[in-house]
Amino acid sequence: AQSVAQPEDQVNVAEGNPLTVKCTYSVSGNPYLFWYVQYPNRGLQFLLKYITGDNLVKGSYGFEAEFNKSQTSFHLKKPSALVSDSALYFCAVRDVEDNAGNMLTFGGGTRLMVKP
Amino acid sequence: GAVVSQHPSRVICKSGTSVKIECRSLDFQATTMFWYRQFPKQSLMLMATSNEGSKATYEQGVEKDKFLINHASLTLSTLTVTSAHPEDSSFYICSASRSRVRSYNEQFFGPGTRLTVL
Repeated sequence: AQSVAQPEDQVNVAEGNPLTVKCTYSVSGNPYLFWYVQYPNRGLQFLLKYITGDNLVKGSYGFEAEFNKSQTSFHLKKPSALVSDSALYFCAVRDVEDNAGNMLTFGGGTRLMVKP
Repeated sequence: GAVVSQHPSRVICKSGTSVKIECRSLDFQATTMFWYRQFPKQSLMLMATSNEGSKATYEQGVEKDKFLINHASLTLSTLTVTSAHPEDSSFYICSASRSRVRSYNEQFFGPGTRLTVL
């Protein structure tokens, strides 16, 4: 079984400050890891993914995430937050050995509030 | 590329009626489509996985007779909520994947459909 934990329901940060949205995962094998962003009443937008290779992944809108296998974490980061980054962020994992094929498990979501 | 659309974006219906939601992959062939449900301030819950030409696989606790899924072509999957009730009100999101084989295949998400049952 695979699972994802986003320990913070909400993260507040001032515009211009760095932000971190935390994610830890559990899979039986190796993970594929994803971050998505959701704006109100909208579907999910893909931000970035880790499949293999470099542990630091760069994605859309200046976001990046670092895969840490020993800590089973994939925290989302941005050096300088914008008010427009305020949204709901979801971390998702898929077990590479997932026999069901392509099934993603989502974390509970973290609401990011960036204040001017 | 890899655009997924959903129709309608919003629907309001009376209790007891059935509602059909369409999910289309606009520029690729989606051999696998997924249907998710999202309650307010909650995460996405996978309802079912459908492969083109075969029956959908439902997650535990999801009533297959209530949520009918059809994936008749490589670009279209439909979710029909039968005899809808107010507790079925939710945000339904579909996603599509290019392949069913056991390898990495990214899911592309639709914009979602807001269902309100009165």
